[in-house]
Amino acid sequence: EVKVVESGGGLVKPGGSLRLSCTASGFFFGSFTMTWVRQAPGKGLEWVSSINSIGGSINYPDSVKGRFTISRDNAKNSVYLQMNSLRAEDTAVYYCARIYCSGGDCYLYYFEHWGQGTLVTVSS
Amino acid sequence: QSALTQPPSVSGSPGQSVTISCTGTSSDVPSNNRVSWYQQHPGAAPKLILFDVTNRPSGVPDRFSGSKSGNTASLTISGLQAEDEADYYCSTYTSDNTVLFGGGTTLTVL
Repeated sequence: EVKVVESGGGLVKPGGSLRLSCTASGFFFGSFTMTWVRQAPGKGLEWVSSINSIGGSINYPDSVKGRFTISRDNAKNSVYLQMNSLRAEDTAVYYCARIYCSGGDCYLYYFEHWGQGTLVTVSS
Repeated sequence: QSALTQPPSVSGSPGQSVTISCTGTSSDVPSNNRVSWYQQHPGAAPKLILFDVTNRPSGVPDRFSGSKSGNTASLTISGLQAEDEADYYCSTYTSDNTVLFGGGTTLTVL
């Protein structure tokens, strides 16, 4: 059974930093692109970052580029999100998800196997 | 960056069909077929229900179907059931390797 578990959320002051972790099991972690998606309270989904299986391809939207850094440790079946210079608008539940694969095909831009999310609150 | 526009809410009675639209606001969104739809129940993580516009992952009922015309993608739910009441999000993958989500649509089953 595939399992994805996020951790590391909490309360942080504006301008502060936080590191989120995501640990997965039930599949060969080192073969899959992983992604972070966030959801502000009562709002919609926003893609935050994706990292390919070996960490050689990384992407961010403009809203977090230069402030957030995604990384992974395949030996630990984990992906991380280092968040710096946090702002009030970064307050959200942060989800980690694995890309969707079916019949031997994997799709870099569709996400299945989501975790339960971890809440990040940026407030003074 | 561009945005995907969805109606804030739709509603329908059990057994009826509803359609949720998703319109891109620039010439290349979503001009490709990299369109997906997610269902999210309150307090739960999103669930992938359609990919590549029309394809359903294993286990998703065939009551869920998708289509696209020009820059507008649509999700149709036929034979509405109470458990379909949820938020629905469209998503697309852009030419600059970013992922966009629509603003979300709340489906109410009357």
